[in-house]
Amino acid sequence: QKEVEQNSGPLSVPEGAIASLNCTYSDRVSQSFFWYRQYSGKSPELIMSIYSNGDKEDGRFTAQLNKASQYVSLLIRDSQPSDSATYLCAVSNAGGTSYGKLTFGQGTILTVHP
Amino acid sequence: GAVVSQHPSWVICKSGTSVKIECRSLDFQATTMFWYRQFPKQSLMLMATSNEGSKATYEQGVEKDKFLINHASLTLSTLTVTSAHPEDSSFYICSARKGGGFYNEQFFGPGTRLTVL
Repeated sequence: QKEVEQNSGPLSVPEGAIASLNCTYSDRVSQSFFWYRQYSGKSPELIMSIYSNGDKEDGRFTAQLNKASQYVSLLIRDSQPSDSATYLCAVSNAGGTSYGKLTFGQGTILTVHP
Repeated sequence: GAVVSQHPSWVICKSGTSVKIECRSLDFQATTMFWYRQFPKQSLMLMATSNEGSKATYEQGVEKDKFLINHASLTLSTLTVTSAHPEDSSFYICSARKGGGFYNEQFFGPGTRLTVL
């Protein structure tokens, strides 16, 4: 069983629509949750971090965390073609000797078409 | 901000030579940095965790004698690929951990594309 699971997609949405990206994780002691965006040929870019249950909004992005269900999601409102990328969900247990090591999902490819 | 740089951005070398890649956190101190490798159309693979002033911790299957990591200061970690071979050709990316404890965002460098001929 994979530790962090995402639908690989591709997820295709029209410009202006809401893109919904989902992620589940298996380690119940996970404490920190991140969404990264990776354009083809580039390194990942941190777009959202969330640490407590509920919603966190930043511009067009909203991250949602439900620790009881071991589920984290990312909503992108008013999607733009420039949002087309691979979105990586990452989970961390900050404690112990892990030093904040991230466990990544396989990524969801998002395509926003005009 | 949280900016991480890498140098060089790309390198081409002959088989059998060694290549050093630098990772710097430019506007924050990072006691922990991470080194990843990514092959085309594949996910990131963590190679090792680098802690300032101590030996790196390598992931299972990563040869520590081939991939030498040094984290000599709070803003600089280096990865040296020794005796590189064509199968080492990949995209190498570092990240630096900002903050501590519970809040542990990682910021990635732009990556180094290594081609071994």
